[in-house]
Amino acid sequence: SQQGEEDPQALSIQEGENATMNCSYKTSINNLQWYRQNSGRGLVHLILIRSNEREKHSGRLRVTLDTSKKSSSLLITASRAADTASYFCARPTGNQFYFGTGTSLTVIP
Amino acid sequence: EAQVTQNPRYLITVTGKKLTVTCSQNMNHEYMSWYRQDPGLGLRQIYYSMNVEVTDKGDVPEGYKVSRKEKRNFPLILESPSPNQTSLYFCASKTGTGAWTQYFGPGTRLLVL
Repeated sequence: SQQGEEDPQALSIQEGENATMNCSYKTSINNLQWYRQNSGRGLVHLILIRSNEREKHSGRLRVTLDTSKKSSSLLITASRAADTASYFCARPTGNQFYFGTGTSLTVIP
Repeated sequence: EAQVTQNPRYLITVTGKKLTVTCSQNMNHEYMSWYRQDPGLGLRQIYYSMNVEVTDKGDVPEGYKVSRKEKRNFPLILESPSPNQTSLYFCASKTGTGAWTQYFGPGTRLLVL
């Protein structure tokens, strides 16, 4: 399968703590995206990291990409209750997109 | 407001009864796609379309049909639904080749009895 694997499946932290989630694929990664999904609603694009980038920041988000390990991580710093959601990585390949299995994040106020 | 809309949002049907889920976008996007989301499996791509009259299979196309007669619309058709097609369905769109950000609709929750 070309789908990605994400871990952990679920993560529960206190407000103010950092949250890290990981994504890996069995096939090579060129570009990688992260999306957020609030409780069964549509996904929202967060950030794209390209194959020539090792790390990228956007506000409280930090994404890393290791093409040799075919993996990426998403770090959310100083988490807030509003960050409670599911997070998915996605690998664009040609005209298709292969999503990861998702990490469900709960931030406790 | 720029958006992707889907109808219906919720649907309960019986095995074998043909149904159509509509998808429409008002952003003049060339690319549109359908996904299904199942617990523990993430999103899997069913079909996508690069432009009008151009459609291609994704990862899980069996049991589904699509058409792209107009740029803004991309309906998903289940000719003979089965219980294993019970799922949450999302439509998405983006601009053409070279753009990666997809914009998702609100989802259609389908239950096939």
